[in-house]
Amino acid sequence: TQLLEQSPQFLSIQEGENLTVYCNSSSVFSSLQWYRQEPGEGPVLLVTVVTGGEVKKLKRLTFQFGDARKDSSLHITAAQPGDTGLYLCAGASYGGATNKLIFGTGTLLAVQP
Amino acid sequence: GAGVSQSPRYKVAKRGQDVALRCDPISGHVSLFWYQQALGQGPEFLTYFQNEAQLDKSGLPSDRFFAERPEGSVSTLKIQRTQQEDSAVYLCASSLTGVRHRFSGANVLTFGAGSRLTVL
Repeated sequence: TQLLEQSPQFLSIQEGENLTVYCNSSSVFSSLQWYRQEPGEGPVLLVTVVTGGEVKKLKRLTFQFGDARKDSSLHITAAQPGDTGLYLCAGASYGGATNKLIFGTGTLLAVQP
Repeated sequence: GAGVSQSPRYKVAKRGQDVALRCDPISGHVSLFWYQQALGQGPEFLTYFQNEAQLDKSGLPSDRFFAERPEGSVSTLKIQRTQQEDSAVYLCASSLTGVRHRFSGANVLTFGAGSRLTVL
């Protein structure tokens, strides 16, 4: 069974602080996505990383895919209350009948004003 | 429609009752996924359809769970003889493309808001 472990599980910080969320697995993924989910809503895609070592920036968010395509990180600079939510990584694996997404365990972020 | 629509948004069932959860994907989307999400956790895969064909049901937790998509559009997830451990949010997602090919990053999944099931 492929598992994606996220750390930390919970994070409560003050507005303006920086933070990093990690997503680790022993399995190799063909690509990895990051989602943010707000209460009562479905996950919303933030980014897809495909190439090992790839770095993508989305305003104050920086995403990195590990060289071996087993891990990823999300760094948020100068966090704002609007960043509050459940952050999920999701990996797509090679082969098989379907390339279903395997979701990580989730990181619940609360940014206090 | 513009997005993925799920109904009901909230369902309370007594243990032993049967429930049916509906998903209306984005029009023209080929792929449809069902996920189960416990509070504060990541979604867990249940089943996948490509058009009307159920290509993967490996995540269904027991034979009490059944899903269908008879005309390749609307899908229904049915849970028979509900148990307390079935309490969760059930998410539906659709994608424009099929997935019998290498994931290209273009296989963007759009999720519905989910159906929250509480079994008493």
